[in-house]
Amino acid sequence: DAGVTQSPTHLIKTRGQQVTLRCSPKSGHDTVSWYQQALGQGPQFIFQYYEEEERQRGNFPDRFSGHQFPNYSSELNVNALLLGDSALYLCASSLGTVEAFFGQGTRLTVV
Amino acid sequence: KQEVTQIPAALSVPEGENLVLNCSFTDSAIYNLQWFRQDPGKGLTSLLLIQSSQREQTSGRLNASLDKSSGRSTLYIAASQPGDSATYLCAVEAGSYQLTFGKGTKLSVIP
Repeated sequence: DAGVTQSPTHLIKTRGQQVTLRCSPKSGHDTVSWYQQALGQGPQFIFQYYEEEERQRGNFPDRFSGHQFPNYSSELNVNALLLGDSALYLCASSLGTVEAFFGQGTRLTVV
Repeated sequence: KQEVTQIPAALSVPEGENLVLNCSFTDSAIYNLQWFRQDPGKGLTSLLLIQSSQREQTSGRLNASLDKSSGRSTLYIAASQPGDSATYLCAVEAGSYQLTFGKGTKLSVIP
């Protein structure tokens, strides 16, 4: 079992650009959540996808959007990138709402 | 709004020492509490999950306790090793499908 896999591992983008991050959940998991972690802070919840629908959303602007595919994999899209969007983006998968397993993250740098 | 606090922010101990990390949360109506380990620049590794009906969980040298009524959890690490050096994060899930994290405790175990 490969666990939760995220791609790419690192990414550098310019202000104003758009970015797509990808996540494959742990085998057997049907729920995917995305978190943003700034340096020195705990992860902050962006949103959760279940049955291809956004089930819950944190306090993030509409520039952050996502998608879940029939195979439960997920994408996080961020439009009109700001310098403040630079962070480690973490994907977590779970079966329902029990134990969450995280991927290794995507380090996004906006210049 | 649920808030999670972890004290201390950083801890340095000699190898072999037993230690306790603390986590407190403001809303006691939680479904579960999870402890994670994070190595620098990496994703989160799940250590222990305690469901709301449980008082503690053990895995190897780790023991986590939960006192819902007082809004507290502790992570006890026995016979610490240099490989235990990492940031330890506590997170609670309170029925809104999202994990709320503390900022973590950075542990350094000195050989």
